[in-house]
Amino acid sequence: AQSVTQPDIHITVSEGASLELRCNYSYGATPYLFWYVQSPGQGLQLLLKYFSGDTLVQGIKGFEAEFKRSQSSFNLRKPSVHWSDAAEYFCAVGALSGGGADGLTFGKGTHLIIQP
Amino acid sequence: EPEVTQTPSHQVTQMGQEVILRCVPISNHLYFYWYRQILGQKVEFLVSFYNNEISEKSEIFDDQFSVERPDGSNFTLKIRSTKLEDSAMYFCAARRGEAPGTSDADTQYFGPGTRLTVL
Repeated sequence: AQSVTQPDIHITVSEGASLELRCNYSYGATPYLFWYVQSPGQGLQLLLKYFSGDTLVQGIKGFEAEFKRSQSSFNLRKPSVHWSDAAEYFCAVGALSGGGADGLTFGKGTHLIIQP
Repeated sequence: EPEVTQTPSHQVTQMGQEVILRCVPISNHLYFYWYRQILGQKVEFLVSFYNNEISEKSEIFDDQFSVERPDGSNFTLKIRSTKLEDSAMYFCAARRGEAPGTSDADTQYFGPGTRLTVL
């Protein structure tokens, strides 16, 4: 069965500093990887996704993530965080459809706190 | 960009009552999902739906849950007899599904959620 591990429950970063959120996955087939962001009381917004090709993917709001198959990781990065980036970040894994309809498996999330 | 919408945004109900949560997926999307997020916990998959039938369901999706798309637009989740532990945020998601195996076809777009409180 697939699983996603986000080892950091909380991360505190100063505004303007760089950020890296860790995500490790376990999946038997070719994974399809996502990062979603959830602001307090809000739904899930897609930040970026990895499907195939270039292992460094760019997303919205200045985020990027790098897929490393050898490490089963898909870490999220941002060079300079803004106070508005404070939110809950979820990594998720899914299957290539191929006609299937698999639900996504989410990690437990990382709560990002931005210090002024 | 088209959005998935959900109603109501917040539902309060008494234990044992039936609730129906509604979702309007993006119009050209073919695959629909319900997820649940208990407060402070991770998002959990409940069920997927395609071509008017359930494609996959998790162990959470027991006999008290049902889904349907009665009018070709709304996608509903019904909980027959709510329990206290059903209190959670319920998210609907949709994906296009055409050209399977492509990035866009496999991306799930989430609605804003319905917060269900069972008293």
